[in-house]
Amino acid sequence: DIQMTQSPGSVSASVGDRVVITCRASQHISNWLAWYQQKPGQAPRLLIYSASTLQSGVPPRFSGSESGSEFTLTISSVQPDDFATYYCQQANSFPRTFGPGTKVEIK
Amino acid sequence: QLQLRESGPGLVKPSETLSLICTVSGGPMSTKTYYWGWIRQSPAKGLEWIGSIDYSGSTFYKKSLRSRVTMSLDMSRNHLSLKLSDVTAADTAVYFCARSVWSVSWFDIWGQGTRVFVSS
Repeated sequence: DIQMTQSPGSVSASVGDRVVITCRASQHISNWLAWYQQKPGQAPRLLIYSASTLQSGVPPRFSGSESGSEFTLTISSVQPDDFATYYCQQANSFPRTFGPGTKVEIK
Repeated sequence: QLQLRESGPGLVKPSETLSLICTVSGGPMSTKTYYWGWIRQSPAKGLEWIGSIDYSGSTFYKKSLRSRVTMSLDMSRNHLSLKLSDVTAADTAVYFCARSVWSVSWFDIWGQGTRVFVSS
């Protein structure tokens, strides 16, 4: 199975800060990567797919990028609604696997 | 707007079979480009993909769960079902159904999830 890792495990940020979350896969996954946002008691919400394509309805302050085997989710200016846990997921190989999550907390 | 909703017993005894239904509303399930999946989430394992099924009934299961998992579609009732046999405490989780498009890729529409406890 492809193992997904994320860093940091948690990050404290103030409204307006730029937040960067990194995801790495244990094997090459091309651009078969998605990012999700999850709030307590809710289902994950798809933010980005194909590593960098913004899902319809997602604010443009979210962006995704890829550099080699490292994938990045950037929130350019964190808003109060963005405090949540973020997960990456690979869709290159079966079984589909998710990262352990990065919690974005209010500083 | 397509909506998914999971339902099923919240408590299952060890060694029994967990059975869940996902009801799809707001649109048809039978579109050839749709794939329907089950994902569960627990503190121990995080988000875990269980498997997916396409409109024709072809299934894609996580290998480690394959011997215990059965997924099926009932297009006439707009239902997706999950059966997981011989459950243990390790199967305690929130179970989500979700849709992916064009392939078993990312999941763009999710149900709200249903919590299942395995306990005697």
